Amino acid sequence: NAGVTQTPKFQVLKTGQSMTLQCAQDMNHEYMSWYRQDPGMGLRLIHYSVGAGITDQGEVPNGYNVSRSTTEDFPLRLLSAAPSQTSVYFCASSPSEDPYNEQFFGPGTRLTVL
Amino acid sequence: AQKITQTQPGMFVQEKEAVTLDCTYDTSDPSYGLFWYKQPSSGEMIFLIYQGSYDQQNATEGRYSLNFQKARKSANLVISASQLGDSAMYFCAMRENSGYSTLTFGKGTMLLVSP
Repeated sequence: NAGVTQTPKFQVLKTGQSMTLQCAQDMNHEYMSWYRQDPGMGLRLIHYSVGAGITDQGEVPNGYNVSRSTTEDFPLRLLSAAPSQTSVYFCASSPSEDPYNEQFFGPGTRLTVL
Repeated sequence: AQKITQTQPGMFVQEKEAVTLDCTYDTSDPSYGLFWYKQPSSGEMIFLIYQGSYDQQNATEGRYSLNFQKARKSANLVISASQLGDSAMYFCAMRENSGYSTLTFGKGTMLLVSP
């Protein structure tokens, strides 16, 4: 049981490049989400999904796309990277939308955009 | 208005002493969960403890306890018998039954434990 996995761990992009951050979970969780963590800001929600085929925007969605074709996978796409997207990205999952469910976090991806 | 407020940017404590990290929250939702996560320098987010809005008793997990005062909307984390390995960033978070149904995080408190 690997939990929540993320790849890559580190990535450097040039402005304007696109890339996909991968996230997978093997716990059969319905709810998955992407956060970004910036210094002094805590974690902020980018996008989330309540099940396969269902996604929605969070607090800071601009410049990012997501899809959820399977329960296991929830990739985050940067369409045209900007320096403002330099951050640490965390994927998380939980069994459902129930507020009493803990969210399990992946190890994070540290992204630098030059 | 901030939903989660952590007023202590940094805290210092000596090894083996207890420490309280403050957290206040703001919600009109009657159903919510309160969570504490630890983030060591290695960067991962480690779940510590959880309190449900309808729980009558304060949550405890080993050396961690959550001092839940619902009327005051506070959910302070108490770490007893601090250890050097407790040095880390600590985040308070809330999950509501409405909206995104996601976690809303405070800005964190950096705890340093000295020998």
